[in-house]
Amino acid sequence: EIVLTQSPGTLSLFPGQRATLSCRASQSVSSSYLAWYQQKRGQAPRLLIYGASSRATGIPNRFIGRGSGTDFTLTISRLEPEDFAVYYCQQYGSSPEYIFGQGTKLEIK
Amino acid sequence: EVQLVESGGGLVQSGGSLRLSCAASGFTFSTYWMNWVRQAPGKGLVWVSRINTDGSSTSYADSVKGRFTISRDNAKNTLYVQMNGLRAEDTAMYYCARGRGLDPALRAAFDIWGQGTMVTVSS
Repeated sequence: EIVLTQSPGTLSLFPGQRATLSCRASQSVSSSYLAWYQQKRGQAPRLLIYGASSRATGIPNRFIGRGSGTDFTLTISRLEPEDFAVYYCQQYGSSPEYIFGQGTKLEIK
Repeated sequence: EVQLVESGGGLVQSGGSLRLSCAASGFTFSTYWMNWVRQAPGKGLVWVSRINTDGSSTSYADSVKGRFTISRDNAKNTLYVQMNGLRAEDTAMYYCARGRGLDPALRAAFDIWGQGTMVTVSS
């Protein structure tokens, strides 16, 4: 079973700064099957990135997904106040079909 | 408007049963794979189950296999999960979520989520 490990657990930054979130897989995964989600307190998750690097509909271009193999990153180029939330990576594979990382909390410093 | 609305959550005793529903609107429900994802209070997201377009193929997380059954009624645009033998560790917000499309690369990500329905299992 593939394990997705996200780091850091918590990231404290100021608005306007650049955020880099990491998602590491325990074995190589297809970049086509790697997604990122944002979840704000009390809300459902929202799809940000699919296929490791493609932005979902309506997602601002400050959200940038990269990576391949076992190492993937989500970069937020310039943090806006509404970007402070929890971020999850997710992989589609087999047994179980879908796996989420444990999440990274992005908080205002 | 594309929308998913869950219902059916509540408080149930350990060992009990509950059926959750997810009503879809604003899109052709029958052409999308659908999923249930849960989130225990203060914890992360955990995928629970998946069903294909006509219900002929399903998949489950090991933690619910044999206890939960996912199904759908395309005529009613509704997704279900029947939860039996509930345990305290099943306490969570349950979300239904749509796979982006039929192709594996599309259904790999969930583009539409409901607001969730809370299930609390008391021991």
